[in-house]
Amino acid sequence: GIQVEQSPPDLILQEGANSTLRCNFSDSVNNLQWFHQNPWGQLINLFYIPSGTKQNGRLSATTVATERYSLLYISSSQTTDSGVYFCAVANAGNMLTFGGGTRLMVKP
Amino acid sequence: DGGITQSPKYLFRKEGQNVTLSCEQNLNHDAMYWYRQDPGQGLRLIYYSQIVNDFQKGDIAEGYSVSREKKESFPLTVTSAQKNPTAFYLCASSLFPGAKGGYSNQPQHFGDGTRLSIL
Repeated sequence: GIQVEQSPPDLILQEGANSTLRCNFSDSVNNLQWFHQNPWGQLINLFYIPSGTKQNGRLSATTVATERYSLLYISSSQTTDSGVYFCAVANAGNMLTFGGGTRLMVKP
Repeated sequence: DGGITQSPKYLFRKEGQNVTLSCEQNLNHDAMYWYRQDPGQGLRLIYYSQIVNDFQKGDIAEGYSVSREKKESFPLTVTSAQKNPTAFYLCASSLFPGAKGGYSNQPQHFGDGTRLSIL
């Protein structure tokens, strides 16, 4: 099956700082999603981005499918950005394989 | 509002007992999925269903069973054969995946999860 690796595994930021999270995957995909899991466990859709670049407020994401990686950018981080960020990918059949996550803590 | 409803939020299981987790969606999605999350880990696929009355095993199906009698509902039963059931269970849905290309790349949307513990 597809292997998904996320880096870094842990990240501590001061409020207002910028960060880049990376997701590498081992095979071609036709679904790539970024999620934010908040402290209550809710999994919030951030981006559906099998290729290309998207932006939503302070967040943006880029997937380079030919090189099998995706990046999630967080600008001007806020304490509410804390939590775990997951990258998940799928090929035919749309069964998602999740990475291990990046645990982000934003300090005030 | 359209969404995915999981119930209960918390569930406790006694040794040797089967328990059923509910997942209902009103998004008119064709496909539904069950994932398991252990502490500090990512999610792993238990079962999925692309259409009514059809479902397939995922990566960790042993000790679990499902049914898909209605498009809106995809209940998961954790049987006594599942020796380590304590985990966070998340249900998801999406439009029909279909063949590669076309509808195959549909985003999944998740419910708020059920936390299952052993008494």
